[in-house]
Amino acid sequence: EVQLVESGGGLVQPGGSLRLSCAASGFTFSDHDMDWVRQAPGKGLEWIGRSKNSGQRYTTEYAASVRGRFTISRDDSKTSLSLQMSSLKTEDTAVYYCVTWIAGRGYWGQGTLVSVSS
Amino acid sequence: DIQMTQSPSTLSASVGDRVTLTCRASQSLGECLAWFQQKPGKAPKTLIYKASNLESGVPSRFSGSRSGTEFTLTISSLQPDDFATYYCQQCNAYAPYTFGQGTKVEIK
Repeated sequence: EVQLVESGGGLVQPGGSLRLSCAASGFTFSDHDMDWVRQAPGKGLEWIGRSKNSGQRYTTEYAASVRGRFTISRDDSKTSLSLQMSSLKTEDTAVYYCVTWIAGRGYWGQGTLVSVSS
Repeated sequence: DIQMTQSPSTLSASVGDRVTLTCRASQSLGECLAWFQQKPGKAPKTLIYKASNLESGVPSRFSGSRSGTEFTLTISSLQPDDFATYYCQQCNAYAPYTFGQGTKVEIK
């Protein structure tokens, strides 16, 4: 069974940094693309970044809203995905989801809440 | 960037109704589109992948189709558990892999 468990969310001040993690199990981690998706309170879903699979050399892609501030990395030995967030803004407040794509199907974690506030 | 436009934003319907949600892409996607259902406080759940494939465990009253750059999610007979917000997402070859803005299905 595919499982994704996010952690690391919390309250951070504007301009601060935070690192989220996603622990993956139930599939061959290195073979699949991994996304981060967020949802601000009362808003829709926003794709923010992707770590492609080993066959695509782990290429990373980012949404314009986070490029240069957020960095995605993965550790295949630990089957873990990370999202390093810096220069955080109040508008980054959201639930952050980890998503993997297997044969066209999207599998989601339960999400972790990040609140950016002074 | 590919834009995804969902309509309507809100849909009011009754149990037993047949409902149709639409997602239109600004460029050709082929079959590369997924539909998700989200309930308040919960993570999204995949309903349909590759435009028309029903995810395992999803009731057969849900179906997806494509005509050119227009994608449709149909619920053949709306059930109480189906009142939720529905999102489409394009999975084209290149980022950003945009979502539609969502359609909220409400009780009429």
